[in-house]
Amino acid sequence: EVQVVQSGAEVKKPGESLKISCKGSGYSFTNYWVGWVRQMPGKGLEWMGIINPADSDTRYSPSFQGQVTFSVDRSISTAYLQWSSLKASDTAMYYCARQEGGGLLDDWGQGTLVTVSS
Amino acid sequence: DIVVTQSPDSLAVSLGERATINCKSSQSVLYSSNNKNYLAWYQQKPGQPPKLLISWASTRESGVPDRFSGSGSGTDFTLTISSLQAEDVAVYYCHQYYVPPRTFGQGTKLDIK
Repeated sequence: EVQVVQSGAEVKKPGESLKISCKGSGYSFTNYWVGWVRQMPGKGLEWMGIINPADSDTRYSPSFQGQVTFSVDRSISTAYLQWSSLKASDTAMYYCARQEGGGLLDDWGQGTLVTVSS
Repeated sequence: DIVVTQSPDSLAVSLGERATINCKSSQSVLYSSNNKNYLAWYQQKPGQPPKLLISWASTRESGVPDRFSGSGSGTDFTLTISSLQAEDVAVYYCHQYYVPPRTFGQGTKLDIK
């Protein structure tokens, strides 16, 4: 059974750094890209970008380019989303999802709520 | 970027009645080489992640009730729920995965009348 499990909720202060995780299991992790999606409170879904676990090739949405960094650790089938300096406007639910060959996000994690507040 | 626009923003339908949600993309998401529309529909219930209902504009995912159907091609698409059930209350999103940056519609909130 395919499972995508994300790390738990985080509460941070503006200016702090953060790395959240997304672990895939039940499938060959390096055969599927991983996508990241933001959902701000009470708002819709925003596609942030994707990373290829096989070679760490990344494609960022222009809206998120330079604001976040994707990475992977193939040895533990885990993808990461990180910020070097959080802002209050980064407060949101962040989802990761497995991307199948055609670009479709099929299996989603449960989400990680990031709250940035002084 | 491809802009994806849904209509209406919200919808209230009586139990057992038909619900229809429309989705329009600013450019075609039909790939001529394989004749596939790169358009999906997701359902999101409160406190839950999105759930994939329909891929390739009209292919129902395994386990999705057959009251859900998708149609359309090119730039205009429709999600239809043939007989609304109480458990269908949710926000529905269409999503183009044809070209990066992949984009979602703004969502349609479906309630019971």
